[in-house]
Amino acid sequence: RKEVEQDPGPFNVPEGATVAFNCTYSNSASQSFFWYRQDCRKEPKLLMSVYSSGNEDGRFTAQLNRASQYISLLIRDSKLSDSATYLCVVKEDDYKLSFGAGTTVTVRA
Amino acid sequence: DVKVTQSSRYLVKRTGEKVFLECVQDMDHENMFWYRQDPGLGLRLIYFSYDVKMKEKGDIPEGYSVSREKKERFSLILESASTNQTSMYLCASSLVGSSYNEQFFGPGTRLTVL
Repeated sequence: RKEVEQDPGPFNVPEGATVAFNCTYSNSASQSFFWYRQDCRKEPKLLMSVYSSGNEDGRFTAQLNRASQYISLLIRDSKLSDSATYLCVVKEDDYKLSFGAGTTVTVRA
Repeated sequence: DVKVTQSSRYLVKRTGEKVFLECVQDMDHENMFWYRQDPGLGLRLIYFSYDVKMKEKGDIPEGYSVSREKKERFSLILESASTNQTSMYLCASSLVGSSYNEQFFGPGTRLTVL
């Protein structure tokens, strides 16, 4: 069983739409949670951390549900530049991150 | 600006060859990591290092070894390349400690083993 599971998508949405997707993780002792973004043929980069109380960064909202062991990301008012693969990432200990396989989002004009 | 560089963007090798992938970071980070990324499987950790000359196995170390002789440089070695090692290889670095979460990635090396 994978430690971090994501719906691979793709999610195809028009500009201005809202898109949301989740991931689930198996290790209840996981310490911290993140969303990374990976553009086509590029390296992953940190998008945002996910806090228990939920947090926003501009048009992006992340939520964590520890009881159900899932994390969500919501993108409001989608832009063409939001087209990317979004990786759900769980920090297992001081060193190790576990990555989901990614959810692909395509925003169309 | 934070920078992780990898020696090659694309590499083609033959089965049985010894392959060296080099990674250099200029951020004075203690931790360095090697991942491979395959479609549908995500990033999988091969090895990591938390200090010079220290190394720890990740989830899929078989067929690989690593070397960290200097803080800024972390090398991945395929002793005898096989076709199932065709993949995208990503190097990353980070600061040590529970307060530091972000890993910074290099641009990746796409390795093809024929």
